[in-house]
Amino acid sequence: DTAVSQTPKYLVTQMGNDKSIKCEQNLGHDTMYWYKQDSKKFLKIMFSYNNKELIINETVPNRFSPKSPDKAHLNLHINSLELGDSAVYFCASSQDPNTDTQYFGPGTRLTVL
Amino acid sequence: QKEVEQNSGPLSVPEGAIASLNCTYSDRVSQSFFWYRQYSGKSPELIMSIYSNGDKEDGRFTAQLNKASQYVSLLIRDSQPSDSATYLCAVAIQGAQKLVFGQGTRLTINP
Repeated sequence: DTAVSQTPKYLVTQMGNDKSIKCEQNLGHDTMYWYKQDSKKFLKIMFSYNNKELIINETVPNRFSPKSPDKAHLNLHINSLELGDSAVYFCASSQDPNTDTQYFGPGTRLTVL
Repeated sequence: QKEVEQNSGPLSVPEGAIASLNCTYSDRVSQSFFWYRQYSGKSPELIMSIYSNGDKEDGRFTAQLNKASQYVSLLIRDSQPSDSATYLCAVAIQGAQKLVFGQGTRLTINP
């Protein structure tokens, strides 16, 4: 059973388009996260949700909008895609965001042309 | 000063030797520390977590934490080519409800 799953695995699109990435976890965790990993492999948190409530928004452009329909799902919608949005996006989950291990999904490689 | 700093490497170690990976952090109230391994094209996976000063051993891996010096390290004994990966240090900043990652150290084990 996959603990944290993401779809799609690859996403290639044109500048200006709108796209979504979906994430689901079956670990029963309360907290879910979106990270962006750039070409230099730096992993930076974008958002986190705890029980469907937004708790972290790390100065991400408002073209990025997360949505959590329930605590097992956290989706990321990106409007008006730009070249600089090209990266690998990872979803993760944990129980306690202050102390617990985070488990990562397989990642979505987004390429904006 | 970055919140979590690692030497980005690359660090090259001969097979069978000890690989030593280091990480410093700036927030004195940090409580939880993690080492993740990331193979190329894959997601980060947890290697070790450590919460108290001292050493914690798990097989060939030993994590060392020194809160006074704000320093955490990972030792890999009897290094294998399969240990070649990027190693990410992560620190949970108390009350911030997030992990802060270092930039990662790329480790290569040479047969």
